Amino acid sequence: NAGVTQTPKFQVLKTGQSMTLQCAQDMNHEYMSWYRQDPGMGLRLIHYSVGAGITDQGEVPNGYNVSRSTTEDFPLRLLSAAPSQTSVYFCASSTQQGFYGYTFGSGTRLTVV
Amino acid sequence: AQKITQTQPGMFVQEKEAVTLDCTYDTSDPSYGLFWYKQPSSGEMIFLIYQGSYDQQNATEGRYSLNFQKARKSANLVISASQLGDSAMYFCASKRGGSQGNLIFGKGTKLSVKP
Repeated sequence: NAGVTQTPKFQVLKTGQSMTLQCAQDMNHEYMSWYRQDPGMGLRLIHYSVGAGITDQGEVPNGYNVSRSTTEDFPLRLLSAAPSQTSVYFCASSTQQGFYGYTFGSGTRLTVV
Repeated sequence: AQKITQTQPGMFVQEKEAVTLDCTYDTSDPSYGLFWYKQPSSGEMIFLIYQGSYDQQNATEGRYSLNFQKARKSANLVISASQLGDSAMYFCASKRGGSQGNLIFGKGTKLSVKP
């Protein structure tokens, strides 16, 4: 089983560029989410989805867009990258109740110069 | 709103000894879950252990156990017989019960195991 697959693993962007971080899961999980991890800050929730067609904002949504057209995919879009978005991004999925652990992707390390 | 506090930015433990990583949580929800994750230097997030708010017994998974003290709102992770491979960041997280709750993380504790 692939679990949660994130691409790319590394990315360097120039300020103002746009890009999409891809996330796909093959476990038929209803719930998917995006986190960013910054030194000393733990993981902070950006956006999440409880099913196809349903998304909502987390703690730090500004500068990011998401959509969920299928159960499997949950892409994260940076519309106009800023240096403050330099971070490691994790995608996670779980069953609806989520009481038996969330499965995380391997992360995308993004640098905005 | 939920909040997770991990007061130990860094910890050292001697190999083969036990270590306790502290976690306190703040929630008014009657139903919630508590999680611990390990993040080695390679960066992946590894699920270790889960405790439900209504569970009567403390959760255990191999060398990991969760010391759950509901009245004190604490959910400390105990690692027995530490190994060099336990050196990593450890994150405590909580989730409100039901389908709408999200996983909220503490800032983490960096554990270093000394040979």
